[in-house]
Order: sequence, then C-alpha cells, then structure tokens
Amino acid sequence: QQQVKQSPQSLIVQKGGISIINCAYENTAFDYFPWYQQFPGKGPALLIAIRPDVSEKKEGRFTISFNKSAKQFSLHIMDSQPGDSATYFCAASRRAYGQNFVFGPGTRLSVLP
Amino acid sequence: ETGVTQTPRHLVMGMTNKKSLKCEQHLGHNAMYWYKQSAKKPLELMFVYNFKEQTENNSVPSRFSPECPNSSHLFLHLHTLQPEDSALYLCASSPSGSPGLDGEQFFGPGTRLTVL
Repeated sequence: QQQVKQSPQSLIVQKGGISIINCAYENTAFDYFPWYQQFPGKGPALLIAIRPDVSEKKEGRFTISFNKSAKQFSLHIMDSQPGDSATYFCAASRRAYGQNFVFGPGTRLSVLP
Repeated sequence: ETGVTQTPRHLVMGMTNKKSLKCEQHLGHNAMYWYKQSAKKPLELMFVYNFKEQTENNSVPSRFSPECPNSSHLFLHLHTLQPEDSALYLCASSPSGSPGLDGEQFFGPGTRLTVL
C-alpha cells in the first residue's frame, strides 16, 4: 500500500514533442504529490506538486493531471527540449505524517535534438 | 556555500571499515533527511530529523547510525557494511518536517558509496 508505481521506465521524445509520465498509488490517505527532476551528478529538485483537491496544475511547460478516483497522476512536458533530459520521480506523502515521501522508481527521459 | 552540501562525494570502503558521511544545509531549515538511491529502485527514505529529534527510522539496519548535532548538520556513520549497501546516499532538508505541512525538500548532490 505504500508503493508508488511509475511508468515508463525510460522515454525518448523528439524535440518539441510531448513527454508523458504516469504514476499510480494505492494508499488513499496520500494527499500531496510532488514531481522531482534529477540531472546526472545532482540531487533531485522539486519540479511541480499537486494536492488532490484539484485535477490539474500547470507551471510553464509542465502540467500535472490528477485523477483521484483512479488513484493516478501524470506529468506532461509540452514542447520538450533537450535540456529536459533527466530522470523524473513522482512521489506521494501524507501531510499528517510530515514530509515522509514515498517515491516512484523514476523515468529516464531523453529528448532528441 | 549555499544549499545542501555533502562530503565526501565519493567513498570506497571495505566491509570492516568505519566511515562517516556529512551533510550541511545553509538554508535555515529545521528538518533533515537521509535517502538511499540504488540503481533502478525508488529513493528509499532512511531517517528523518525534525528540530534535531529523530522522527523516522525506516527499518534501517543498525550498521547505519545517524547523528544530528544541530539543525544544520547531519551525519551518517557507517560500520560493517555489506556490498549491497553500495549506493548513492542523498541528504535533503526542508523548512519543517512537522505534520500538516507540505513543501519542498532540497537535496544535496549525494555521496557515491562503494563497499568492497
């Protein structure tokens, strides 16, 4: 119940295309869902986050879509750029327990020029 | 320096060695975290400290021993490790780890540990 599943494991997209990464969870008590981006040799950095009271959140080219009934959420990267090539992690937490995140296994995104 | 720093960046140790990883944050945060990142596995939360008190030990073997002398520093003491402990160890901090809050965790670059 504590797992967060993430797919695909790796993704190759052409420059200008849309990258879509999907995550699913089982624990309905989760109420905070961040996405982290990690470049080689660096630690993860927060990209965007959502709470379950909204179905979508957009920040620039990055959008989270959230489906509470299906217990799924996804990251859409519009107009993907080579600089977006990184590993992306979805995560979930119960705010009542502080920031004890459960992370997905990650998706390695490669955007071809 | 700004942000979250970790030393050393790389460490090779034998199974009988004792070593320590150091993390320092310059962000004025009150919560600090240790994570283990292994290839093709999710980041695993190991320990959480909130206002210098340990609030989470995620069933971590006793060969890993954390220490948080103040809100800016976090150590991970290692002894009698196994080859399967080889991984990237990440430190993170956040303004607070108290219940009811969400927000950003700031990660350091990690220490790449190899156990021979």
